Amino acid sequence: KAGVTQTPRYLIKTRGQQVTLSCSPISGHRSVSWYQQTPGQGLQFLFEYFSETQRNKGNFPGRFSGRQFSNSRSEMNVSTLELGDSALYLCASSLGLAGDNEQFFGPGTRLTVL
Amino acid sequence: DQQVKQNSPSLSVQEGRISILNCDYTNSMFDYFLWYKKYPAEGPTFLISISSIKDKNEDGRFTVFLNKSAKHLSLHIVPSQPGDSAVYFCAASAKRSGAGSYQLTFGKGTKLSVIP
Repeated sequence: KAGVTQTPRYLIKTRGQQVTLSCSPISGHRSVSWYQQTPGQGLQFLFEYFSETQRNKGNFPGRFSGRQFSNSRSEMNVSTLELGDSALYLCASSLGLAGDNEQFFGPGTRLTVL
Repeated sequence: DQQVKQNSPSLSVQEGRISILNCDYTNSMFDYFLWYKKYPAEGPTFLISISSIKDKNEDGRFTVFLNKSAKHLSLHIVPSQPGDSAVYFCAASAKRSGAGSYQLTFGKGTKLSVIP
């Protein structure tokens, strides 16, 4: 069974641009959660999608948004990029809602904002 | 305000000895705790979990202890092996009222180095 895949693996953008990251969960998993990992803050929860609906949202500005498609694939978008958005963005999938179920993480997308 | 704290950014242990990784939390609503292990260039992988109704959970070389009164949990690895060298994240969740979904809050991680 294929694991969680994330594309692209690496991305370089400049301030003010916008970016879209993609996550394909494990087949059969209906929940996708997104996290931001930085050296100073560790892993911070962005949001969780389940059955195409956002179920949970962390404390991030509205520039961070996401969506989930009917096949459970998810995208996350960051608009008006800032230098501080440089981070590793991790996606995790689970059979049901996160917290009730084990989450499986993808390898992440390394975003660098110049 | 960090609700889950891992105060040791790094830890070095000799192969064969015990590794003890610590985690403190402040939110008394947390009722489920997990440990994840992360190798470079890979996503975190689930290691072991414990519910607040228990004070110990064991899985092979890994044991997690929970002290609810102290709001403290620890992960013991015995015996430590070089392959255990990784960053370990502690995470906690609490049921959000009305939402029916748990949000995981992670610590900043502890980098464990097991020296052969």
